Amino acid sequence: DQQVKQNSPSLSVQEGRISILNCDYTNSMFDYFLWYKKYPAEGPTFLISISSIKDKNEDGRFTVFLNKSAKHLSLHIVPSQPGDSAVYFCAARQNNAGNMLTFGGGTRLMVKP
Amino acid sequence: EAGVAQSPRYKIIEKRQSVAFWCNPISGHATLYWYQQILGQGPKLLIQFQNNGVVDDSQLPKDRFSAERLKGVDSTLKIQPAKLEDSAVYLCASSLGRIRETQYFGPGTRLLVL
Repeated sequence: DQQVKQNSPSLSVQEGRISILNCDYTNSMFDYFLWYKKYPAEGPTFLISISSIKDKNEDGRFTVFLNKSAKHLSLHIVPSQPGDSAVYFCAARQNNAGNMLTFGGGTRLMVKP
Repeated sequence: EAGVAQSPRYKIIEKRQSVAFWCNPISGHATLYWYQQILGQGPKLLIQFQNNGVVDDSQLPKDRFSAERLKGVDSTLKIQPAKLEDSAVYLCASSLGRIRETQYFGPGTRLLVL
Protein backbone atom coordinates (compact mmCIF):
# COMPACT_ATOMS: atom_id res chain seq x y z
CA ASP A 1 0.00 0.00 0.00
CA GLN A 2 1.96 2.99 -1.31
CA GLN A 3 0.62 6.11 0.35
CA VAL A 4 3.05 8.39 -1.50
CA LYS A 5 3.69 7.82 -5.18
CA GLN A 6 6.03 9.34 -7.71
CA ASN A 7 4.85 7.91 -10.98
CA SER A 8 7.73 9.14 -13.12
CA PRO A 9 10.90 7.18 -12.37
CA SER A 10 12.97 9.55 -14.48
CA LEU A 11 12.88 12.96 -16.12
CA SER A 12 15.27 14.57 -18.59
CA VAL A 13 15.37 18.34 -19.03
CA GLN A 14 17.58 20.78 -20.92
CA GLU A 15 19.67 23.20 -18.89
CA GLY A 16 17.85 26.50 -18.34
CA ARG A 17 14.40 25.00 -18.78
CA ILE A 18 11.85 24.18 -16.10
CA SER A 19 11.85 20.81 -14.32
CA ILE A 20 8.53 19.65 -12.90
CA LEU A 21 8.50 16.67 -10.55
CA ASN A 22 5.18 15.26 -9.44
CA CYS A 23 3.97 13.41 -6.37
CA ASP A 24 0.58 11.97 -5.41
CA TYR A 25 -0.61 10.81 -2.01
CA THR A 26 -3.61 8.91 -0.74
CA ASN A 27 -3.63 9.53 3.02
CA SER A 28 -5.77 12.55 3.86
CA MET A 29 -4.13 12.70 7.30
CA PHE A 30 -0.88 13.93 5.79
CA ASP A 31 -0.49 17.60 6.65
CA TYR A 32 3.14 18.37 5.84
CA PHE A 33 5.11 17.57 2.72
CA LEU A 34 8.82 17.65 1.98
CA TRP A 35 11.16 17.19 -0.94
CA TYR A 36 14.56 15.60 -0.49
CA LYS A 37 17.36 15.47 -3.02
CA LYS A 38 19.82 12.59 -3.21
CA TYR A 39 23.15 12.35 -5.00
CA PRO A 40 24.80 8.94 -5.56
CA ALA A 41 26.56 7.53 -2.50
CA GLU A 42 25.13 10.27 -0.29
CA GLY A 43 22.16 10.45 2.01
CA PRO A 44 19.05 12.46 1.09
CA THR A 45 19.25 16.18 1.87
CA PHE A 46 16.26 18.33 2.70
CA LEU A 47 15.28 20.71 -0.09
CA ILE A 48 11.95 22.40 0.56
CA SER A 49 8.70 21.77 2.40
CA ILE A 50 5.08 22.90 2.52
CA SER A 51 2.36 22.78 5.11
CA SER A 52 -1.13 21.70 4.14
CA ILE A 53 -2.46 25.16 5.04
CA LYS A 54 -0.54 26.62 2.10
CA ASP A 55 -0.71 25.97 -1.62
CA LYS A 56 2.72 27.30 -2.57
CA ASN A 57 6.16 27.70 -1.06
CA GLU A 58 9.12 29.21 -2.85
CA ASP A 59 12.84 29.14 -2.11
CA GLY A 60 15.08 30.54 -4.80
CA ARG A 61 14.85 28.38 -7.91
CA PHE A 62 12.65 25.83 -6.14
CA THR A 63 8.89 26.10 -5.73
CA VAL A 64 6.55 23.49 -4.32
CA PHE A 65 2.84 23.54 -5.14
CA LEU A 66 0.20 21.66 -3.18
CA ASN A 67 -3.27 20.78 -4.46
CA LYS A 68 -5.06 19.26 -1.46
CA SER A 69 -8.26 18.42 -3.28
CA ALA A 70 -6.32 16.39 -5.84
CA LYS A 71 -3.87 15.07 -3.23
CA HIS A 72 -1.07 16.16 -5.51
CA LEU A 73 2.09 18.16 -5.10
CA SER A 74 4.78 19.21 -7.51
CA LEU A 75 8.29 20.60 -7.34
CA HIS A 76 9.30 23.19 -9.93
CA ILE A 77 12.95 23.99 -10.57
CA VAL A 78 13.55 27.10 -12.66
CA PRO A 79 15.99 27.41 -14.31
CA SER A 80 17.31 23.87 -14.17
CA GLN A 81 21.07 23.43 -13.84
CA PRO A 82 23.29 20.39 -14.46
CA GLY A 83 24.05 20.29 -10.73
CA ASP A 84 20.37 19.62 -10.08
CA SER A 85 20.79 16.15 -11.59
CA ALA A 86 19.90 13.81 -8.73
CA VAL A 87 17.10 11.62 -7.40
CA TYR A 88 14.27 13.62 -5.83
CA PHE A 89 12.07 12.09 -3.14
CA CYS A 90 8.71 13.38 -2.07
CA ALA A 91 7.85 12.69 1.59
CA ALA A 92 4.80 13.26 3.75
CA ARG A 93 4.16 13.55 7.46
CA GLN A 94 0.96 12.77 9.33
CA ASN A 95 -0.37 15.23 11.88
CA ASN A 96 -0.58 12.69 14.69
CA ALA A 97 2.49 10.61 13.90
CA GLY A 98 5.27 12.70 15.38
CA ASN A 99 8.06 13.13 12.87
CA MET A 100 7.57 9.91 10.90
CA LEU A 101 8.07 10.40 7.14
CA THR A 102 6.52 8.33 4.36
CA PHE A 103 8.58 8.55 1.18
CA GLY A 104 7.72 8.13 -2.46
CA GLY A 105 9.85 5.98 -4.74
CA GLY A 106 11.83 8.87 -6.18
CA THR A 107 12.31 10.51 -9.58
CA ARG A 108 15.72 10.67 -11.21
CA LEU A 109 16.23 14.08 -12.79
CA MET A 110 18.84 14.53 -15.49
CA VAL A 111 19.62 18.08 -16.59
CA LYS A 112 21.51 18.13 -19.86
CA PRO A 113 23.99 20.95 -20.54
CA GLU B 1 28.88 21.26 12.12
CA ALA B 2 29.56 17.57 11.52
CA GLY B 3 26.80 15.61 9.85
CA VAL B 4 25.42 12.18 10.60
CA ALA B 5 28.17 9.58 10.46
CA GLN B 6 27.65 5.94 9.49
CA SER B 7 29.93 2.95 9.19
CA PRO B 8 30.73 0.81 7.42
CA ARG B 9 29.89 2.34 4.05
CA TYR B 10 29.70 -1.03 2.32
CA LYS B 11 29.22 -4.58 3.53
CA ILE B 12 28.96 -7.88 1.69
CA ILE B 13 27.86 -10.97 3.62
CA GLU B 14 26.37 -14.35 2.90
CA LYS B 15 22.81 -15.20 3.83
CA ARG B 16 22.32 -16.41 7.37
CA GLN B 17 25.29 -14.38 8.58
CA SER B 18 24.88 -11.48 10.97
CA VAL B 19 25.82 -7.84 10.39
CA ALA B 20 25.80 -4.62 12.40
CA PHE B 21 25.70 -0.99 11.35
CA TRP B 22 26.74 2.01 13.41
CA CYS B 23 25.39 5.57 13.43
CA ASN B 24 26.55 8.73 15.17
CA PRO B 25 23.93 11.50 14.90
CA ILE B 26 24.46 15.24 14.76
CA SER B 27 25.52 16.52 18.18
CA GLY B 28 22.53 17.52 20.29
CA HIS B 29 19.96 15.70 18.18
CA ALA B 30 17.64 13.79 20.46
CA THR B 31 15.79 11.83 17.79
CA LEU B 32 17.42 9.14 15.66
CA TYR B 33 15.92 7.13 12.81
CA TRP B 34 16.94 4.04 10.87
CA TYR B 35 15.59 3.65 7.33
CA GLN B 36 15.87 0.84 4.81
CA GLN B 37 16.07 1.84 1.15
CA ILE B 38 15.69 -0.99 -1.33
CA LEU B 39 16.93 -0.29 -4.86
CA GLY B 40 14.39 1.71 -6.84
CA GLN B 41 12.26 2.55 -3.79
CA GLY B 42 12.10 5.36 -1.28
CA PRO B 43 13.43 5.05 2.26
CA LYS B 44 11.21 3.12 4.66
CA LEU B 45 11.36 3.86 8.38
CA LEU B 46 12.44 0.88 10.48
CA ILE B 47 12.76 2.41 13.93
CA GLN B 48 12.71 5.81 15.63
CA PHE B 49 14.42 6.63 18.94
CA GLN B 50 13.85 9.59 21.22
CA ASN B 51 17.01 9.79 23.33
CA ASN B 52 17.48 6.12 24.28
CA GLY B 53 13.81 5.14 24.12
CA VAL B 54 11.98 3.61 21.16
CA VAL B 55 9.20 5.82 19.75
CA ASP B 56 8.16 3.68 16.79
CA ASP B 57 9.40 0.26 15.67
CA SER B 58 6.21 -0.91 13.97
CA GLN B 59 7.98 -1.62 10.66
CA LEU B 60 11.04 -3.34 12.13
CA PRO B 61 11.14 -7.10 11.38
CA LYS B 62 11.79 -8.01 14.97
CA ASP B 63 12.48 -11.67 14.31
CA ARG B 64 15.80 -10.72 12.69
CA PHE B 65 16.39 -6.99 13.16
CA SER B 66 17.33 -5.26 16.39
CA ALA B 67 18.48 -1.76 17.25
CA GLU B 68 19.69 0.02 20.31
CA ARG B 69 20.72 3.48 21.41
CA LEU B 70 22.07 2.82 24.85
CA LYS B 71 23.36 6.24 25.93
CA GLY B 72 21.03 8.32 23.80
CA VAL B 73 23.74 9.18 21.28
CA ASP B 74 25.21 6.47 18.99
CA SER B 75 23.05 3.68 17.69
CA THR B 76 23.58 0.25 16.20
CA LEU B 77 21.27 -1.71 13.91
CA LYS B 78 21.79 -5.47 13.70
CA ILE B 79 20.48 -8.11 11.33
CA GLN B 80 20.71 -11.74 12.43
CA PRO B 81 20.38 -13.87 10.37
CA ALA B 82 20.46 -11.93 7.10
CA LYS B 83 18.29 -12.85 4.13
CA LEU B 84 18.78 -12.07 0.45
CA GLU B 85 15.93 -9.54 0.58
CA ASP B 86 17.79 -7.52 3.21
CA SER B 87 20.09 -6.21 0.47
CA ALA B 88 19.53 -2.46 0.62
CA VAL B 89 21.00 0.83 1.77
CA TYR B 90 20.51 1.43 5.48
CA LEU B 91 20.18 5.12 6.23
CA CYS B 92 20.48 6.75 9.61
CA ALA B 93 18.95 10.18 10.21
CA SER B 94 18.67 12.50 13.17
CA SER B 95 16.63 15.53 14.18
CA LEU B 96 16.56 17.94 17.09
CA GLY B 97 13.25 16.64 18.36
CA ARG B 98 10.46 14.33 17.35
CA ILE B 99 7.81 16.87 16.46
CA ARG B 100 8.01 18.57 13.08
CA GLU B 101 11.78 18.75 12.86
CA THR B 102 13.89 18.43 9.73
CA GLN B 103 15.62 15.08 9.47
CA TYR B 104 19.28 15.03 8.43
CA PHE B 105 20.54 11.88 6.79
CA GLY B 106 23.88 10.12 6.86
CA PRO B 107 25.50 8.66 3.71
CA GLY B 108 24.11 5.18 4.40
CA THR B 109 25.53 1.67 4.53
CA ARG B 110 25.09 -0.38 1.38
CA LEU B 111 24.48 -4.04 2.27
CA LEU B 112 24.68 -6.87 -0.21
CA VAL B 113 23.55 -10.31 0.95
CA LEU B 114 24.72 -13.17 -1.29
